[in-house]
Amino acid sequence: DAKTTQPTSMDCAEGRAANLPCNHSTISGNEYVYWYRQIHSQGPQYIIHGLKNNETNEMASLIITEDRKSSTLILPHATLRDTAVYYCIVRVAGNSGYALNFGKGTSLLVTP
Amino acid sequence: SAVISQKPSRDICQRGTSLTIQCQVDSQVTMMFWYRQQPGQSLTLIATANQGSEATYESGFVIDKFPISRPNLTFSTLTVSNMSPEDSSIYLCSTTGGGERGYGYTFGSGTRLTVV
Repeated sequence: DAKTTQPTSMDCAEGRAANLPCNHSTISGNEYVYWYRQIHSQGPQYIIHGLKNNETNEMASLIITEDRKSSTLILPHATLRDTAVYYCIVRVAGNSGYALNFGKGTSLLVTP
Repeated sequence: SAVISQKPSRDICQRGTSLTIQCQVDSQVTMMFWYRQQPGQSLTLIATANQGSEATYESGFVIDKFPISRPNLTFSTLTVSNMSPEDSSIYLCSTTGGGERGYGYTFGSGTRLTVV
């Protein structure tokens, strides 16, 4: 799986958009970008994933650059409950026999 | 996606003793994964458990310290043996049940272990 680089921490005001960047300059053509988050002391939770097109679901939007070397997770209206560690993971689709490899992630603090 | 029930949610144990953590999945799954999360750190994979075969351990983890059982497709246990304070961590199980493209990974709620 390709290596990812994320900022260690970020702050965001409640109600504002939270934009979490991820660099994955060595990503291969068949690797997807996945985002998970871990709210304090809970198990990680899937957020969104994409290959090269921008994706949106009820939780977030994922913007992937044209060269696919970086991406941004967008929480459009952050709430206090979005305070968590966010992990960007790059991996090949379909190899479910292998565990997810977690980097250090970005600790997002949403403030009132 | 599969739903995992993990227990105990937390425990405080004496050094030198052992603790067995259980994960029950609500559907049959092929692979289960066990992670350790030390205080303030990210998740580190301990081992992969495939039903019917011995678990595969990551570098730095050994079967004598972290024996794993996988008696059927819905259940797995991880034992932390001969515990020391350095074993104080959150332990999590995970499975891929329900999805093939990475978003189907689900996790137990974790076991917070404190060794005194």
